[in-house]
Amino acid sequence: EDQVTQSPEALRLQEGESSSLNCSYTVSGLRGLFWYRQDPGKGPEFLFTLYSAGEEKEKERLKATLTKKESFLHITAPKPEDSATYLCAVTIRSGQNFVFGPGTRLSVLP
Amino acid sequence: DAGVIQSPRHEVTEMGQEVTLRCKPISGHDYLFWYRQTMMRGLELLIYFNNNVPIDDSGMPEDRFSAKMPNASFSTLKIQPSEPRDSAVYFCASRSSGRPDTQYFGPGTRLTVL
Repeated sequence: EDQVTQSPEALRLQEGESSSLNCSYTVSGLRGLFWYRQDPGKGPEFLFTLYSAGEEKEKERLKATLTKKESFLHITAPKPEDSATYLCAVTIRSGQNFVFGPGTRLSVLP
Repeated sequence: DAGVIQSPRHEVTEMGQEVTLRCKPISGHDYLFWYRQTMMRGLELLIYFNNNVPIDDSGMPEDRFSAKMPNASFSTLKIQPSEPRDSAVYFCASRSSGRPDTQYFGPGTRLTVL
């Protein structure tokens, strides 16, 4: 069965304290891996897409990396406005069915 | 660009009632997706349409759930009859076939079935 897991479930950081979030997947025929950010009461907001092992994408304080079995979302010198739930998702086969992980709830304290 | 529009934003109903959720995708997008999000199960794909045609409804939990897309700018998700376990946040998302890696989500409808 295709599965996506994320760790940790929740993470509290001090402002400026860098860390990484993990997304592990067991799927047949990965087409793409996606990172989304979700703020309370809102829909997920697209951040990155990664397609092949070794690929990296960056946006401001965030950098996403991909290996054959997992992806990391690195957060460098986070700010309180980075507090949100970060969701990982994969697409397989036809590329239309998104399978989402449970998310990591990040809190950045000032 | 107004983004994906969903209505209502909140719905409270009683068990057994019919519920209709509405979605207006971004203009020009030819894919539309309906998701359900709960604490227990996370975000789950229910059904998706391409050019107004349902392509995969394998995520629809039961026959009580139905979805339609009568035209490119409107879709509905209907639950009849509703049950307390249907309580969740329902999201609509759309994307363009020219940008397969990006889905745009609406703000969601929070459904509470008493």
